Amino acid sequence: KAGVTQTPRYLIKTRGQQVTLSCSPISGHRSVSWYQQTPGQGLQFLFEYFSETQRNKGNFPGRFSGRQFSNSRSEMNVSTLELGDSALYLCASRTGITYNEQFFGPGTRLTVL
Amino acid sequence: QKEVEQDPGPLSVPEGAIVSLNCTYSNSAFQYFMWYRQYSRKGPELLMYTYSSGNKEDGRFTAQVDKSSKYISLFIRDSQPSDSATYLCAMSAGTGANNLFFGTGTRLTVIP
Repeated sequence: KAGVTQTPRYLIKTRGQQVTLSCSPISGHRSVSWYQQTPGQGLQFLFEYFSETQRNKGNFPGRFSGRQFSNSRSEMNVSTLELGDSALYLCASRTGITYNEQFFGPGTRLTVL
Repeated sequence: QKEVEQDPGPLSVPEGAIVSLNCTYSNSAFQYFMWYRQYSRKGPELLMYTYSSGNKEDGRFTAQVDKSSKYISLFIRDSQPSDSATYLCAMSAGTGANNLFFGTGTRLTVIP
């Protein structure tokens, strides 16, 4: 069974630009969560989608948004990029509500110059 | 105060040593406890999953939860160079993804 895939793996953007990241979950997984990982803050929860609906949202500004498609693939968008948005963005998929079957993708490394 | 505190290390040990990794937390409602391993340029991989208190063993890995002290541990026996990675603890009071809190990770190097 293929794992969680994320594209692109690396991105370099400049301040003020916007970016879209993509996540394809494991087949059959309907829940996709997004996290931001930085050395100082660790993993911080952005949002979770389940069956195309945002189920939970973390404490991030409205510049961060996401969506999920009918095939469970998910995208997240960051508008008006700031230097502090430089991070590893991870998505994780799971079948339903338990964490013991949550799997992470390799992440997208975003650098904002 | 952060929900979860984890010593960032780095921690270097010789091959074959017993490694002890720890996290403390403040929320007494946490009942799901996890340890993830993250290799460089990879996403976190679930190593151990524990519900409530007690110990859980899987091969060379043992996870312990002490809810009275709000303290969890991961022990690695007979450590190998392939164990070199960052180890993240995570815990939650419920099953919603917004309730899952991670430590910042401990970077471990096992020296051959």
